Amino acid sequence: DAKTTQPPSMDCAEGRAANLPCNHSTISGNEYVYWYRQIHSQGPQYIIHGLKNNETNEMASLIITEDRKSSTLILPHATLRDTAVYYCIVRVAVGATGNKLTFGGGTRVLVKP
Amino acid sequence: GAVVSQHPSWVICKSGTSVKIECRSLDFQATTMFWYRQFPKQSLMLMATSNEGSKATYEQGVEKDKFLINHASLTLSTLTVTSAHPEDSSFYICSAPKEGFANTEAFFGQGTRLTVV
Repeated sequence: DAKTTQPPSMDCAEGRAANLPCNHSTISGNEYVYWYRQIHSQGPQYIIHGLKNNETNEMASLIITEDRKSSTLILPHATLRDTAVYYCIVRVAVGATGNKLTFGGGTRVLVKP
Repeated sequence: GAVVSQHPSWVICKSGTSVKIECRSLDFQATTMFWYRQFPKQSLMLMATSNEGSKATYEQGVEKDKFLINHASLTLSTLTVTSAHPEDSSFYICSAPKEGFANTEAFFGQGTRLTVV
C-alpha cells in the first residue's frame, strides 16, 4: 500500500467544518483513498472512500486532487462525538487482501465546544 | 452495515496464563480475517492474517507460537495469547472483509483490551 502523510493533530470548533488533509504522492492507479476513524478504545470505523472523483455520504465528503496525490476529508459540521483519530489509507478496493491495512499515525482530531 | 463482534471486550489475566479472544462475523462469511494490536498512543499494527481452513500468515516479528490463530469456520477466528506476559498487554482488534460486487470492505470488531498482571 502507498504511504500516506497526515498532520498528527488538529483542533476544530464544534459546529464548524473540519478539513483533514492527507498526502499520498505515491498512490498507484488501482489504489483507492479510504478514510477510517477510531474513537477512543473502539475499533476503527469506515468513513468514506474514493478513486478520483469527489465523494459524499452522510458522514463526510472526500475531495481528491486531480493528480490524486492528496485528498481532504471534510466533516461538514463537527460535533463532540467526532473527536477521534482519523486515518487516511490507500489500498486496492477489491479482494480480501485489499483489507490488509497499513495504518499510519493518523490525525488526532479534538472537537472543542 | 455488517457487524463483527469480539469477545471478550476486556480481560485481565495472570502472567504465564493463556487468553483466547474470539472474532465473529455476525451476518456474513469471511474466509479471511485480520488481527491487529495497538499499544497506547500508537497506531494499529497488523499481526497476522487468519485464513479459514489453512494456516495463518504472520507479519514479520510476530511469534506464531505465542499468538495462536485458529480460523475454525467461515464466521469465527480466535487468537490465543499463550504464556502471556505484561508486555503483551495491549488492545487487540480483528477485522473481517465483506466482499461485495465492486469492492471489499473491512469491518472491525470493537477490540479486546488485554491486561496481564
